[in-house]
Amino acid sequence: GNSVTQMEGPVTLSEEAFLTINCTYTATGYPSLFWYVQYPGEGLQLLLKATKADDKGSNKGFEATYRKETTSFHLEKGSVQVSDSAVYFCALSDKNTDKLIFGTGTRLQVFP
Amino acid sequence: EPEVTQTPSHQVTQMGQEVILRCVPISNHLYFYWYRQILGQKVEFLVSFYNNEISEKSEIFDDQFSVERPDGSNFTLKIRSTKLEDSAMYFCASSSRTDTQYFGPGTRLTVL
Repeated sequence: GNSVTQMEGPVTLSEEAFLTINCTYTATGYPSLFWYVQYPGEGLQLLLKATKADDKGSNKGFEATYRKETTSFHLEKGSVQVSDSAVYFCALSDKNTDKLIFGTGTRLQVFP
Repeated sequence: EPEVTQTPSHQVTQMGQEVILRCVPISNHLYFYWYRQILGQKVEFLVSFYNNEISEKSEIFDDQFSVERPDGSNFTLKIRSTKLEDSAMYFCASSSRTDTQYFGPGTRLTVL
């Protein structure tokens, strides 16, 4: 079945450091891929998405590229801020069912 | 910007009691979903709903669970007889069939 695998957290960085959170997926067909972010005490917010191979999703300085050949959708940001501290979830949506399948989430902690 | 709202934010109940979690999806959306997140674990799909009927449900969504759209704005999740293991954060989401699901802030359910 479809699944999403994310790197284990927590990821601890200093402010202005480069961020990568790895995400790989297993799916039949060509799913849409998403990153959601959950700030402390809040719900899930869509951060970015990509719907087909080689698409790049971007928002708030975060980017992720849909790589079909490596079945990956790694999240990157060039310079993180303390306010980026949150849990990041990679997810896929199967076009046949449209339910979201989430990874386990990666906690990011950014220190000044 | 329109958003999904959920009430209550926190519900405490005794084991065996019925609970109803309420959601108001974004007004022009037609597809509705419930997910849950047990503390520290991944977000799991429960059910999707379209055109006044269930489109898909997970194995978690057993006979103790039901969903309803009682009027033009609300979407509810009912748990008939709560168990300790139902304690979780429950998220409602809605979409307009553009792949993107928008989540509410969640209801934390605590079963004692």
